[in-house]
Amino acid sequence: DAGVIQSPRHEVTEMGQEVTLRCKPISGHDYLFWYRQTMMRGLELLIYFNNNVPIDDSGMPEDRFSAKMPNASFSTLKIQPSEPRDSAVYFCASSNSPGQGREKLFFGSGTQLSVL
Amino acid sequence: AQTVTQSQPEMSVQEAETVTLSCTYDTSENNYYLFWYKQPPSRQMILVIRQEAYKQQNATENRFSVNFQKAAKSFSLKISDSQLGDTAMYFCAFMKHAGAGGTSYGKLTFGQGTILTVHP
Repeated sequence: DAGVIQSPRHEVTEMGQEVTLRCKPISGHDYLFWYRQTMMRGLELLIYFNNNVPIDDSGMPEDRFSAKMPNASFSTLKIQPSEPRDSAVYFCASSNSPGQGREKLFFGSGTQLSVL
Repeated sequence: AQTVTQSQPEMSVQEAETVTLSCTYDTSENNYYLFWYKQPPSRQMILVIRQEAYKQQNATENRFSVNFQKAAKSFSLKISDSQLGDTAMYFCAFMKHAGAGGTSYGKLTFGQGTILTVHP
């Protein structure tokens, strides 16, 4: 398996622009997570999906952030409008359903977002 | 709420030697999971090892092993025969048991990380 695939690897944009991050989870995984990593706050969960349905979005910082999962093999995280404080590494992770020792999250390589 | 503390911001070790990274956590939960993730300069978060709290036996994965002390809420990582490729940031992480309906599944609480450098 190719693992969790994220694109783009790097994104540089100007304040006010819309940014869309993409993620393809591991085939067969029915949980998908979006995490953000910053120097100040470390790694924090933004939102997660189970069977394409958002379960908990309490970590989404503002209404400028939105996430969708239209099917089992694709998810997007959108920021509109973007601000310099959104600069961070955004990770997507996926997992099987919990149980039978499958409680493990597999992360993608992340998207480094820089908002100028 | 859970907290995870890694008290060693940086560690270094000579190639082929053994190093131990410390992690403590605070929780009122009885069922949970603990993880060590490795983040090399390539940035990807790589799962190193996983421990289930109800298992007393310490997890091992090749050169990596843990010392899990549930009562002390301690979860250290031992790397034996260190290799240059082990150079990375290491994160300790906590996850509650999924619970009914998996409503709390996947919420990892991470420590601040320990930068490990392996010297030739």
